[in-house]
Amino acid sequence: AQKVTQAQTEISVVEKEDVTLDCVYETRDTTYYLFWYKQPPSGELVFLIRRNSFDEQNEISGRYSWNFQKSTSSFNFTITASQVVDSAVYFCALSGGTGGFKTIFGAGTRLFVKA
Amino acid sequence: NAGVTQTPKFQVLKTGQSMTLQCAQDMNHEYMSWYRQDPGMGLRLIHYSVGAGITDQGEVPNGYNVSRSTTEDFPLRLLSAAPSQTSVYFCASSLGTGSSYEQYFGPGTRLTVT
Repeated sequence: AQKVTQAQTEISVVEKEDVTLDCVYETRDTTYYLFWYKQPPSGELVFLIRRNSFDEQNEISGRYSWNFQKSTSSFNFTITASQVVDSAVYFCALSGGTGGFKTIFGAGTRLFVKA
Repeated sequence: NAGVTQTPKFQVLKTGQSMTLQCAQDMNHEYMSWYRQDPGMGLRLIHYSVGAGITDQGEVPNGYNVSRSTTEDFPLRLLSAAPSQTSVYFCASSLGTGSSYEQYFGPGTRLTVT
């Protein structure tokens, strides 16, 4: 069965600190997709990034970067120079393979960025 | 485009009552899904649909029904509400029926069952 683990329940940092959110996944499939979503205090869910299992290239988008390592089944998310607006719950998710159309979400990591 | 819309935003039900949560999207997406979000548990898939007339169960389907008569609409029915169904419900849609596509979420419905 597929599984996503976000071991960090809550993280608190001071503005301008760098922070990494961990995501570890389990799947027996060779083809799968990984996602990160953000849920700010307003409650909506916003898509951040998608990665397929054949593309291990790291990605950077502004202050955000993602590190995908199949060897450790991890898809970690780093925010550089965090800002108060980054305060949110972040979800890692997995889909594809034997899971078909179903997307499995991790429990989420709540990030507090203090001014 | 309005994207994914959900009504109502808030609802209080008594145990045993039934109701329908509405979900609509105007992006012509084939795939739609319903999730519930509970503290510490992330989002759990209730039901999903890969097109009009086609639905299937997710992780936690018990107590819920769905139908998909049009591409745009995907209502979720609670047949006999129970306190365990107190949760925030999100509807989502995505462009394709493949699992590679990201999902677009509605604003959510906060349901309390007393």
